[in-house]
This record gives sequence, structure tokens and C-alpha cells, in this order.
Amino acid sequence: GAVVSQHPSWVICKSGTSVKIECRSLDFQATTMFWYRQFPKQSLMLMATSNEGSKATYEQGVEKDKFLINHASLTLSTLTVTSAHPEDSSFYICSARGGLDQPQHFGDGTRLSIL
Amino acid sequence: AQRVTQPEKLLSVFKGAPVELKCNYSYSGSPELFWYVQYSRQRLQLLLRHISRESIKGFTADLNKGETSFHLKKPFAQEEDSAMYYCALRAWGTGRRALTFGSGTRLQVQP
Repeated sequence: GAVVSQHPSWVICKSGTSVKIECRSLDFQATTMFWYRQFPKQSLMLMATSNEGSKATYEQGVEKDKFLINHASLTLSTLTVTSAHPEDSSFYICSARGGLDQPQHFGDGTRLSIL
Repeated sequence: AQRVTQPEKLLSVFKGAPVELKCNYSYSGSPELFWYVQYSRQRLQLLLRHISRESIKGFTADLNKGETSFHLKKPFAQEEDSAMYYCALRAWGTGRRALTFGSGTRLQVQP
């Protein structure tokens, strides 16, 4: 089946640093990748959608300069949380889709803790 | 904008009892509905999608456009069904077509 690998699974860092999270589709080409954020005991909230080779489309209220998304190839997307602060601490989940009619497949998520 | 509502945060049943996890949606167009499951410490996995009309692990779900519902059902719950279940909607006709999730229902199947 379609596998999405997300790395790292957990990161702790100091306030002010930047953190990069990688999302890879291992056995399929992901024309579209999605980034979600999940707060404790809440649902997944879509942050942005990226198509390979294009700029990401951000949801309302998501800061483009804070959450940099790059989708440089059909198998890799990265999310960089710039100048992270404690309020950015959350669980970030990536998802990838092979084609418009294909289902979305999810990575394991990255727990980000900013001290 | 589309919305997915799962009214129950927690559903607790005994093994062998029937299960129904409720999902209602609001969307003006023709939606595509999914159920995803997340077992403890695992990633979200696709359980089923309405266009496939299949039964996975004994679960079924029928899209009722009149009631705008996509309830997940299983006649006899098993302990291994204990997990978090998310209903999700994908809107046709929008370029991004990302999934919109409900808040999830935790299913606890007791022995």
C-alpha cells in the first residue's frame, strides 16, 4: 500500500530556532501534499496544500512566513517552522495523494515541543 | 465551506455489541466521504470511502444525501476495533480538494 514517511517523529528545541520536518511518499508519486496541525484532543486542521513545483496554498490564519513549505519533487515536501515559539508546539501531520481521485495517505506525525 | 460533525467524543460498547459512529456533513455540492481510523500510537489509516461501497474489517458506511450523513456501522464490535475514528469529507470542484475532518470519536470496546 501507499506509505508516507515523516521525519523526525519528535523534536524538542529552544525558542527562536527553526525546525524542518520532512514528508516523503515512499512507493508512489505524490502530486499533492498536505500539512495538518493537531492540538491535543482536537481534530486535524489543514494548514496548507502544496503541489509539486508550485507555491503552497495556505489556509486562512496560517502565516506563510512562519510555516515555509517546499514541495520540490514528487516524493518530498518539507515544512519549516521558522523562529519557533512555545505556541507553535503541536503535532504536525503530513499527507500525500497520488492523483485527484486518490485517497490521502498520512505520515506518523511529528510532535514539536518548543521550550 | 464544508463541515463535518461527529457528535460523540467517546463511544463505549461491549464486545459483540453493534456499533454506530455518527457523522453528519454540510456541503452544498456533491461530496466524497471517508472514514479514517487511528489505532493507538499509529498513523491515520483509510478505513473506507463511500464510492467504493466496500466493507472493511466488518465496517460499512452508507452515504445518505437526504440526511447528509455517513454513519459508520459494525454489527458485532471486537476489542481490536478500539481506536479513534475520523470522518472526513472531500469537496468536488475545488482545486485543492483536501480532506476536512470531523473532531473524531473514540471507540472503546470492552471485554
